[in-house]
Amino acid sequence: SQQGEEDPQALSIQEGENATMNCSYKTSINNLQWYRQNSGRGLVHLILIRSNEREKHSGRLRVTLDTSKKSSSLLITASRAADTASYFCATDYSGYSTLTFGKGTMLLVSP
Amino acid sequence: DGGITQSPKYLFRKEGQNVTLSCEQNLNHDAMYWYRQDPGQGLRLIYYSQIVNDFQKGDIAEGYSVSREKKESFPLTVTSAQKNPTAFYLCASSILAGTYEQYFGPGTRLTVT
Repeated sequence: SQQGEEDPQALSIQEGENATMNCSYKTSINNLQWYRQNSGRGLVHLILIRSNEREKHSGRLRVTLDTSKKSSSLLITASRAADTASYFCATDYSGYSTLTFGKGTMLLVSP
Repeated sequence: DGGITQSPKYLFRKEGQNVTLSCEQNLNHDAMYWYRQDPGQGLRLIYYSQIVNDFQKGDIAEGYSVSREKKESFPLTVTSAQKNPTAFYLCASSILAGTYEQYFGPGTRLTVT
């Protein structure tokens, strides 16, 4: 399977702290995307980083991509209880016409 | 109000019955997808369609069937051949297949007893 792996599987922090999630993947990619899923709901796209980019920001989100290590990280700064959700990375592998989703990191932010 | 809709939100069926899950989008997207989500498994691709009247199998297509007769609609039928159909089913669409962000519907939770 080409499925990527998120790490950790679960993360529990206090409001105001930063949350870092990592994603490792298997082969060369065109881009990598991060999605968020609230419990029992559909996924929402957060950010896309292309293979020739190293870092990207969107509000309190910071994504990095290291193609030499085949890994990406998602940092959520100053987390809020509303950030509680599962976060998935999805890779656009070269030669494939679909995204491959990882198993996700479940983030719990306590007030 | 553009988006992607799935119905129903909850569906209950007896074992041995086929069931069809609805997915509609008004985003004018060419590509549509069906995923299955089980606890701890992430999303697994069942079928996808890059254009009307064309679709391809994903990683776990056995026991499922789809059609794409209209650009807006991509229904999924869970057949009695699917060994373990109880799951959360997500439909998504994107402008084109592959590298673009996907927009997801709210999902249908199917329970088969």
